[in-house]
Amino acid sequence: DAGVIQSPRHEVTEMGQEVTLRCKPISGHNSLFWYRQTMMRGLELLIYFNNNVPIDDSGMPEDRFSAKMPNASFSTLKIQPSEPRDSAVYFCASSQRGFEQFFGPGTRLTVL
Amino acid sequence: AQSVSQHNHHVILSEAASLELGCNYSYGGTVNLFWYVQYPGQHLQLLLKYFSGDPLVKGIKGFEAEFIKSKFSFNLRKPSVQWSDTAEYFCAVEPDRGEYGNKLVFGAGTILRVKS
Repeated sequence: DAGVIQSPRHEVTEMGQEVTLRCKPISGHNSLFWYRQTMMRGLELLIYFNNNVPIDDSGMPEDRFSAKMPNASFSTLKIQPSEPRDSAVYFCASSQRGFEQFFGPGTRLTVL
Repeated sequence: AQSVSQHNHHVILSEAASLELGCNYSYGGTVNLFWYVQYPGQHLQLLLKYFSGDPLVKGIKGFEAEFIKSKFSFNLRKPSVQWSDTAEYFCAVEPDRGEYGNKLVFGAGTILRVKS
């Protein structure tokens, strides 16, 4: 199994631009999670899906952030417009109900 | 407020020293508990987990953790650390299995540096 796949691994963009982060969960996993990691705030859960349905998006910082999961094998996290304070590592994780979460390699986002 | 607390943010040890990292949580009821490790520049990997049964859990790389329900604690231990254990360690709690999957709440993390 290839594990959780995220793309891109690194993204550098300018303030105001749209950023789209992508995630492919492990096949057969029914839950998907988006996290953000920064030095100041640590690891924060942004949103999670169960069976492709968003369950809890209370961690999404503001309306500039949106996430979708159109099918069981793909999810996106979009930031529009991006701001320098969005610079962070964004992790995607997936799990089967009753089992631990498996994390992807992360996307390091830098907004200039 | 419900939370997960890790007692130390930075720990520095010499090789072969013993390690204990504290983790306390404030959720009542049944919880599942995890320790994840993040090596420099890498993603989080599971070290060990506790769902039920023997409260002393053994994980990978010689790590173990003990669940003490009365103290709401899940401390991580290793008898003899190696330089390669340098990493950040996260305690996580799954407070609500419920109907909607397994949301985890993470502690702030403990950065361990092992001096060779």
